[in-house]
Amino acid sequence: DAKTTQPNSMESNEEEPVHLPCNHSTISGTDYIHWYRQLPSQGPEYVIHGLTSNVNNRMASLAIAEDRKSSTLILHRATLRDAAVYYCILRVINSGGSNYKLTFGKGTLLTVNP
Amino acid sequence: GAGVSQSPRYKVAKRGQDVALRCDPISGHVSLFWYQQALGQGPEFLTYFQNEAQLDKSGLPSDRFFAERPEGSVSTLKIQRTQQEDSAVYLCASSPGGNSPLHFGNGTRLTVT
Repeated sequence: DAKTTQPNSMESNEEEPVHLPCNHSTISGTDYIHWYRQLPSQGPEYVIHGLTSNVNNRMASLAIAEDRKSSTLILHRATLRDAAVYYCILRVINSGGSNYKLTFGKGTLLTVNP
Repeated sequence: GAGVSQSPRYKVAKRGQDVALRCDPISGHVSLFWYQQALGQGPEFLTYFQNEAQLDKSGLPSDRFFAERPEGSVSTLKIQRTQQEDSAVYLCASSPGGNSPLHFGNGTRLTVT
């Protein structure tokens, strides 16, 4: 599986934007970039995903480099509830197009200061 | 609406006991996944079902681990003769299929003493 590299931890202040980086230099053309986050004592929660173009949803934005070897998850205004571990994952869809697994790394622990 | 439900939320087992962990996926979701998460680590893939078919069990750590989904809905992860290294949070996730996101339950925390 193609691997991702993320900083172990980052810190932010409440109500400021947060940019969470992810490197994936071995990404292949059909790999989707997915982001999940995990709050304490909960299961992971889907945040956003994309293939080539930048994506926006109500939770966050995903900026994908032109060569697709890196991406950045952007939280526009961090709140205390955004404190979590953020995982950047390359999702392999098999040749049949079937739904397939996510391979998690260690993620980035985001701390939000009040 | 109802999300993925897992039970029990906590389970303490003595070494050597068998345990069964239950997952109720979101109704209509074709795909179901089991993950194991050790303390301080990211979730590790165990196995994947598409309806009742177990298409990938490459992540199961030993033959003491067994998963089933006989009617394509509820799934059970069974661990026989539990060992201390089995202590972890076991997460279940379901998905409608394709590139749809996975919906995770809050897991079962298994402690083997």
